[in-house]
Amino acid sequence: QKEVEQDPGPLSVPEGAIVSLNCTYSNSAFQYFMWYRQYSRKGPELLMYTYSSGNKEDGRFTAQVDKSSKYISLFIRDSQPSDSATYLCAMIEESSGNTGKLIFGQGTTLQVKP
Amino acid sequence: EPEVTQTPSHQVTQMGQEVILRCVPISNHLYFYWYRQILGQKVEFLVSFYNNEISEKSEIFDDQFSVERPDGSNFTLKIRSTKLEDSAMYFCASMLAGGETQYFGPGTRLLVL
Repeated sequence: QKEVEQDPGPLSVPEGAIVSLNCTYSNSAFQYFMWYRQYSRKGPELLMYTYSSGNKEDGRFTAQVDKSSKYISLFIRDSQPSDSATYLCAMIEESSGNTGKLIFGQGTTLQVKP
Repeated sequence: EPEVTQTPSHQVTQMGQEVILRCVPISNHLYFYWYRQILGQKVEFLVSFYNNEISEKSEIFDDQFSVERPDGSNFTLKIRSTKLEDSAMYFCASMLAGGETQYFGPGTRLLVL
């Protein structure tokens, strides 16, 4: 079983839709959870950072972590064509502290159509 | 806004040649990382570096790889004898002590022929 699983998509939605992106993981030691956005041929750009379980909101973006289910989500409200990118979830084990190596999911490609 | 920079953006090399990929992390960051992404695959951790030494390395980071911080600003990844399977996008990342997470550079696309 892969450590971090993420549906690669592609996911295509109309402008203004609510987007739900998800990752599941198998390693219960993961404690730090991040979402990165990656545009084509660019480096990952941090969107959201969450420690342990719970929700975090930043503008149109909401990150949720459910450690009991080993499931994390990113919601994008009022999606825009500029949100079209690949979204990567990433995690770090507790023992590493937040300076440890990131373990990435495959990434989900999102296309928001005008 | 400060950002991580990487040079070159693209590098083409022959199998068996040495390559050096360069990164300038965000100033005052103390933790440094290299990742790679083979086309169509996940971003994979290679190595982390702190206080002038390797903190952690992956199985990928074998004897053909080395990292160095030759001065106060640069962070380099050297591949001594490149293989075809080293073709990938290589990302440098850095992190502030006490910061939340890692910030990535734009990457160097390495093609080994």
